[in-house]
Amino acid sequence: DAKTTQPNSMESNEEEPVHLPCNHSTISGTDYIHWYRQLPSQGPEYVIHGLTSNVNNRMASLAIAEDRKSSTLILHRATLRDAAVYYCILRDDNNAGNMLTFGGGTRLMVKP
Amino acid sequence: NAGVTQTPKFQVLKTGQSMTLQCAQDMNHNSMYWYRQDPGMGLRLIYYSASEGTTDKGEVPNGYNVSRLNKREFSLRLESAAPSQTSVYFCASSDIQGANYGYTFGSGTRLTVV
Repeated sequence: DAKTTQPNSMESNEEEPVHLPCNHSTISGTDYIHWYRQLPSQGPEYVIHGLTSNVNNRMASLAIAEDRKSSTLILHRATLRDAAVYYCILRDDNNAGNMLTFGGGTRLMVKP
Repeated sequence: NAGVTQTPKFQVLKTGQSMTLQCAQDMNHNSMYWYRQDPGMGLRLIYYSASEGTTDKGEVPNGYNVSRLNKREFSLRLESAAPSQTSVYFCASSDIQGANYGYTFGSGTRLTVV
């Protein structure tokens, strides 16, 4: 399975935008890029996913590089509630057993 | 808007005891999953059920059994608990197994085996 690389931790100031990077240089053409986050003492929460085009939803935006070897999760205005571990995960649509496989993620700290 | 419900939320077991973790979803999802998360680590897949009537092993199945009771419910059983099974257990579900769909997770069961 193609793997992802994320920084261990990042800091942000409240009400500022946050750009969380993810490298996936061995991504295949059928890999979807998924982002989940896990707030303290809670289960993971789906954030967004995409294949080739940039995606927007009420929680965040996903910017995918043209060669698809990297992507960026964008939180437009960080709040204290956005402090969490963010996981970037590849899922292969061609693989019938394509489970969510979690790596270490990026711990985002938001300062007031 | 219950989503995925897990019971119990907390449990302490003695080594060798057995217990069943319960999971139910009300979203009519076909696929269900059990993960464990050790302190400071990412989640690891224990077992999954792609559809009602089927179950398969994940990355770390040893010491566990599962039952897909019906479309709504997927239980995880520890027959003889060991301290190495101290962890937080998460159940999840998804509508279809394809990669173009997201998972919904429960809030977890925190299990301590002493």
